[in-house]
Amino acid sequence: RKEVEQDPGPFNVPEGATVAFNCTYSNSASQSFFWYRQDCRKEPKLLMSVYSSGNEDGRFTAQLNRASQYISLLIRDSKLSDSATYLCAAPEGYSTLTFGKGTMLLVSP
Amino acid sequence: EAGVAQSPRYKIIEKRQSVAFWCNPISGHATLYWYQQILGQGPKLLIQFQNNGVVDDSQLPKDRFSAERLKGVDSTLKIQPAKLEDSAVYLCASSQIRGRDGSYEQYFGPGTRLTVT
Repeated sequence: RKEVEQDPGPFNVPEGATVAFNCTYSNSASQSFFWYRQDCRKEPKLLMSVYSSGNEDGRFTAQLNRASQYISLLIRDSKLSDSATYLCAAPEGYSTLTFGKGTMLLVSP
Repeated sequence: EAGVAQSPRYKIIEKRQSVAFWCNPISGHATLYWYQQILGQGPKLLIQFQNNGVVDDSQLPKDRFSAERLKGVDSTLKIQPAKLEDSAVYLCASSQIRGRDGSYEQYFGPGTRLTVT
C-alpha cells in the first residue's frame, strides 16, 4: 500500500500563533487530498479537501506541492479549540483513502 | 442530514468470544467503509463496499473478520474469535463520489470502542 507520512508531534503553540504541518505521500498519481481533524476519543471529521494547488477556509490553508509530493496545513491565529490531532489522507485506488498517523496539536493559553 | 450511525458505542469481550458491529451510512451514500483505528495510529481500511459489492478487502483478516452489506445500505462487521490485538476503535464511514476529479470525501460515524480482555 502507498504510504502517507506525518510528523506525530505534538506541536505545542501559544494562542494566536501560526503553525504548519506537512504530510508526504508516495502515490504520485493522487489528484485530491484531505485533512481531517480528530478530537480525543471522537471520530475524524473532514476539515478540508485539497485539489490542484490548494484551498483556504478562514484561518486554515492547505497547499499541495506535487513536485515534492507533500501537502501542508497552515493554521493562523491558533485557538485553544484547535487542539486536536490532524490526519492527512491521500487516495489509494478507487475511492479509497490511506490515512497518516496524524499530527497532534496542543494550543496553550 | 443525519450522519453515519454506529452501534454499539462500546463493547468489552473476552478473547475468543465473538462480536458484531452495525453501521448505517448517510442516506444516498453508495460507498461504505470499515476502518480499524488503534490508539496512536490513523484509521486503517478493513473493507470497502460499493452498494452491496466488495471493492477492497485486502487488509481484512479473513480468518476471523467478516463483513456484509446485504441490501446495499447498512452493514455489519463481525469478529470471531476475538484476539487481544483486536482492541481498537472500529469506524464506519460513507461517501458519495463527487468533486472535480471524482474525489471521495468520507464521513465517519462515532465508532465502536472494542476492548478484548
